[in-house]
Amino acid sequence: RKEVEQDPGPFNVPEGATVAFNCTYSNSASQSFFWYRQDCRKEPKLLMSVYSSGNEDGRFTAQLNRASQYISLLIRDSKLSDSATYLCVVTPGGSGYALNFGKGTSLLVTP
Amino acid sequence: GAVVSQHPSWVICKSGTSVKIECRSLDFQATTMFWYRQFPKQSLMLMATSNEGSKATYEQGVEKDKFLINHASLTLSTLTVTSAHPEDSSFYICSALRRGNQETQYFGPGTRLLVL
Repeated sequence: RKEVEQDPGPFNVPEGATVAFNCTYSNSASQSFFWYRQDCRKEPKLLMSVYSSGNEDGRFTAQLNRASQYISLLIRDSKLSDSATYLCVVTPGGSGYALNFGKGTSLLVTP
Repeated sequence: GAVVSQHPSWVICKSGTSVKIECRSLDFQATTMFWYRQFPKQSLMLMATSNEGSKATYEQGVEKDKFLINHASLTLSTLTVTSAHPEDSSFYICSALRRGNQETQYFGPGTRLLVL
């Protein structure tokens, strides 16, 4: 079983739609959780960290459920510029900072 | 955000040659850097953790003699792909760990390697 699993999509949504991505992780000792965005042929860029209390940044809301080992990302009022691959990222327990990446969920926002 | 550069951005080489990729943190010191590899439609996979002044830590299945890592300064780590073969063709991305209130990894723009 992969450590971080995501629905690869693609998700095709019209502008203005709300879209939700889900992610599960297998290591219960995982400590930190993130959503990254990766545009085609580019490096990943940090979108937001994910906390148990949930956090919101503008149109983006992230949630973490440690009991279910489940992470979500909600994008409201989708923009064309939101089209990208969204990577669920988890750090393992212990003192390491290496990131475990999911394969990513592809989002295409259409006019 | 912090800036991490990689050089070269792309390289095409013949099978059997060695390729060196540089990763630099431009506005902060990074005692720890990471090297990832990403094949098409796959996730980024950690290859190794580069530690300034000490040996790199390699992930299982990554040959340390083939992928040489040197982290001689607080702002530079290099990855050398020795005797490259077509199956080494990939997108190589480094990241630098910035320590502070929250440790954050900043990624370089990546290097596309094509081995003919």
